[in-house]
Amino acid sequence: NAGVTQTPKFQVLKTGQSMTLQCAQDMNHEYMSWYRQDPGMGLRLIHYSVGAGITDQGEVPNGYNVSRSTTEDFPLRLLSAAPSQTSVYFCASSSPAGGGTDTQYFGPGTRLTVL
Amino acid sequence: GENVGLHLPTLSVQEGDNSIINCAYSNSASDYFIWYKQESGKGPQFIIDIRSNMDKRQGQRVTVLLNKTVKHLSLQIAATQPGDSAVYFCADLSSGGYNKLIFGAGTRLAVHP
Repeated sequence: NAGVTQTPKFQVLKTGQSMTLQCAQDMNHEYMSWYRQDPGMGLRLIHYSVGAGITDQGEVPNGYNVSRSTTEDFPLRLLSAAPSQTSVYFCASSSPAGGGTDTQYFGPGTRLTVL
Repeated sequence: GENVGLHLPTLSVQEGDNSIINCAYSNSASDYFIWYKQESGKGPQFIIDIRSNMDKRQGQRVTVLLNKTVKHLSLQIAATQPGDSAVYFCADLSSGGYNKLIFGAGTRLAVHP
């Protein structure tokens, strides 16, 4: 299994540009999430999904859109990039396990710079 | 609101010593906590978890202690090695039918030879 994969690894955008960060997992996990991590801080939840066709907002959703058309993929869209969105973005997936852990598996991250 | 924070931003230890990383939380309803390790340039990696019906859980060289009375948990690393150098996060996984991790700010562990 490749686990959680993210593309691209690095991206530079100009203010106002749009782009999509890709995330895929091959573990058949129901839950997927997007986080952003700013320097010296913990991760903050942007959006999450509990299954195909179901998404919801996290702690910092403004400026981001998501969709979940398949179990495997959970893309994050920036409609009009702003310098405040410069950050490292992590995608995670997990599967609720009765009596077990709900631990999330993280991708390697996408480092985004908005000029 | 929920707040999961850490007492110390940086912890320096000698190789071979034991390390203790602390974390406080504010939501008394929190019932599941996870410790993550994040090496430079990588995503967080699961270390160990603990549920609120336990006060101690041990893994390989790591132990997590949970004190619900004072809403505090700690991660103990035995015989710290250079490979343990990383940022450690405690996270509160809220329940309710979905997975939402609330992360603390992180503690950087620096292991010196």
